[in-house]
Amino acid sequence: QVQLVESGGGVVQPGGSLKLSCAASGFTLNTHGMHWLRQSPGKGLEWVALISYDGRNEFYADSVKGRFTISRDISKNTLYLQMNSLRGEDTAIYYCARDGQFLTSVKEYFFDYWGQGTLVTVSS
Amino acid sequence: SYELTQPPSVSVSPGQTARITCSGDAVPKQYVYWYQQGPGQGPVLLIYKDRERPSGIPERFSGSSSGTTATLTISGVRAEDEADYYCQLTDTSGTSYVLFGGGTKLTVL
Repeated sequence: QVQLVESGGGVVQPGGSLKLSCAASGFTLNTHGMHWLRQSPGKGLEWVALISYDGRNEFYADSVKGRFTISRDISKNTLYLQMNSLRGEDTAIYYCARDGQFLTSVKEYFFDYWGQGTLVTVSS
Repeated sequence: SYELTQPPSVSVSPGQTARITCSGDAVPKQYVYWYQQGPGQGPVLLIYKDRERPSGIPERFSGSSSGTTATLTISGVRAEDEADYYCQLTDTSGTSYVLFGGGTKLTVL
């Protein structure tokens, strides 16, 4: 069965960096686009980034563009999110999620499997 | 850019029907998706493409869309349905790519 397990969260000072990982099982990353989303404490869901199923394209929310980088390692079946120049407003639970479309980059995004999330706290 | 509006809270008694709405100008143009999020858990896909149910989702969950409003209907509400519910669609109008409603807390009285 499909499982997504995030790790790498923690406490980091403003301006610092952190790299999140998402280990996938039950499918291979080169069949589905993969997303990172986040949820600030007590708030709603916010989409952060997408890497296409073929790894050729990356897309980012304006709030993280230029600071965050999404990537993947097919050999490890693991998704990553490198976060640099972190700010207080980046404090959130970060979720990885599988795009519900199979082997396509058609712009119709939804999330059929989610991880349990990893907490990132940006604070001095 | 578009926005999706959900009521912050809905309350129903067990066995009753709960209806959670999601309104916005993008609703007639795009498929709507619904997610359930229990306390301390990651979201779960409940409805895709306005009205389709993934395997394993009970039939008491259904979706519909008319005009600028999409609706998630939960028939015969159970205590275990108490959770946060979010609608979502693909934002083709700008660079945000994905748009979520603000979420609705369903309370089972």
